[in-house]
Amino acid sequence: AQSVTQLDSQVPVFEEAPVELRCNYSSSVSVYLFWYVQYPNQGLQLLLKYLSGSTLVKGINGFEAEFNKSQTSFHLRKPSVHISDTAEYFCAVSPNTDKLIFGTGTRLQVFP
Amino acid sequence: DGGITQSPKYLFRKEGQNVTLSCEQNLNHDAMYWYRQDPGQGLRLIYYSQIVNDFQKGDIAEGYSVSREKKESFPLTVTSAQKNPTAFYLCASTDRGDEQFFGPGTRLTVL
Repeated sequence: AQSVTQLDSQVPVFEEAPVELRCNYSSSVSVYLFWYVQYPNQGLQLLLKYLSGSTLVKGINGFEAEFNKSQTSFHLRKPSVHISDTAEYFCAVSPNTDKLIFGTGTRLQVFP
Repeated sequence: DGGITQSPKYLFRKEGQNVTLSCEQNLNHDAMYWYRQDPGQGLRLIYYSQIVNDFQKGDIAEGYSVSREKKESFPLTVTSAQKNPTAFYLCASTDRGDEQFFGPGTRLTVL
C-alpha cells in the first residue's frame, strides 16, 4: 500500500523569501507524484506532476519539485513567495493514475 | 470551457435526512471520484467510478451511496447512516493517464 507524509502542517514565511514544502512517500511499486494547491473554500488545482523523465519538475506559479527516488521524497520549492501563494498544499501519489493517495496538507502562510 | 461543476456550494441538512450532492463534468472523462475533506486530514476517497454503470467503494464508503448512469454525472448521496457528515466534499474526474481535475466543492453542514 502507498502512503504520503507531509512533514509540516503549517509553514509561515515572509514575502519574497524562499520556501520548501516537504513530502515523503512510501510505496513498493513505481508511483506518479503530484502537488495540488487549494485556496480557501475552493477545489484543488494541479501545480505540477511527475510521471517519468527528468526528476526536476517545473509547475505553475513559479513552483518546482524534485523527485528523489532513493529518499522517496518529492519536495516542493519556490525561490521567492508572494502573498498570493498563501494556501493549502497537498502532495499526492498514485500507483497507476487512477487513484490518488493524499497527504494531510501543508498550510503555507505568507506574511508581508 | 470544459470543467467540473458541483452543486450546491453550501448545503444544510437536518439529522436523519438524506441529501444528494451533484457533480457534472463536460471533459468527457471516463473516471470520476468523490472525496471528503476534513481539517487536518487531507482528502479521503469515498467512491469512484471508472466507467458508466460501474463504481467501487473507496476508503470511507460507509453511509454514502452513488450512481453512474451517465458519463458526465456522478451524484453522491449522504445517507442518515453517515454519523458525522459535516465536511467539505470534492468531486474529481480524470482521463486515464493524466491528473485528476477537481470541482469547486460542496460544504455540507448538519444542523
